[in-house]
Amino acid sequence: DAGITQSPRHKVTETGTPVTLRCHQTENHRYMYWYRQDPGHGLRLIHYSYGVKDTDKGEVSDGYSVSRSKTEDFLLTLESATSSQTSVYFCAISGGSPHPTQYFGPGTRLLVL
Amino acid sequence: AQSVTQLGSHVSVSEGALVLLRCNYSSSVPPYLFWYVQYPNQGLQLLLKYTTGATLVKGINGFEAEFKKSETSFHLTKPSAHMSDAAEYFCAVSDRGDYKLSFGAGTTVTVRA
Repeated sequence: DAGITQSPRHKVTETGTPVTLRCHQTENHRYMYWYRQDPGHGLRLIHYSYGVKDTDKGEVSDGYSVSRSKTEDFLLTLESATSSQTSVYFCAISGGSPHPTQYFGPGTRLLVL
Repeated sequence: AQSVTQLGSHVSVSEGALVLLRCNYSSSVPPYLFWYVQYPNQGLQLLLKYTTGATLVKGINGFEAEFKKSETSFHLTKPSAHMSDAAEYFCAVSDRGDYKLSFGAGTTVTVRA
């Protein structure tokens, strides 16, 4: 299995509070991704990174920010959590070339009350 | 961005029967194609992928998929279902030169004894 860990694995928080999720990899892969999974929607890309300090938005980026200060760590922040951000969040990594096979972490289950 | 359609959100099969999961994509240029499996409360695991070459691709756990350019399809099959195949399956595609994946909504497979 790819060396990807996510923390925390479960979190309950209240509306309006900031939340930060962490993804850590030991594979030295260039690309890292944050997805959210909701019933009927599959996985939707929130943000991704193509190198240290290089990030870009995905299809559902509103209300989320990311940071990558080291190759191995990719942080996802909900600045002010809302109930619509209750979801399961997955981190993925990819070496990129020659093709973008992604490997997934175990997920973080977030409940916003 | 690619559009991915998985026909049928739920499939129920008898143990020992054929498993067929359908996936169609929107691009006129052959993309990279992936199937992932997700067991309950786990992350996604790569089943198989098509990047180039042979259009019939074999994956783990006895699954295979065939890329058909004329039909823009990448259907997943397994000749004989096992109870352990009960899971959710996701088709994903990526345009060549892109490092992002677009996912289908997923198909949940139930295996009846």
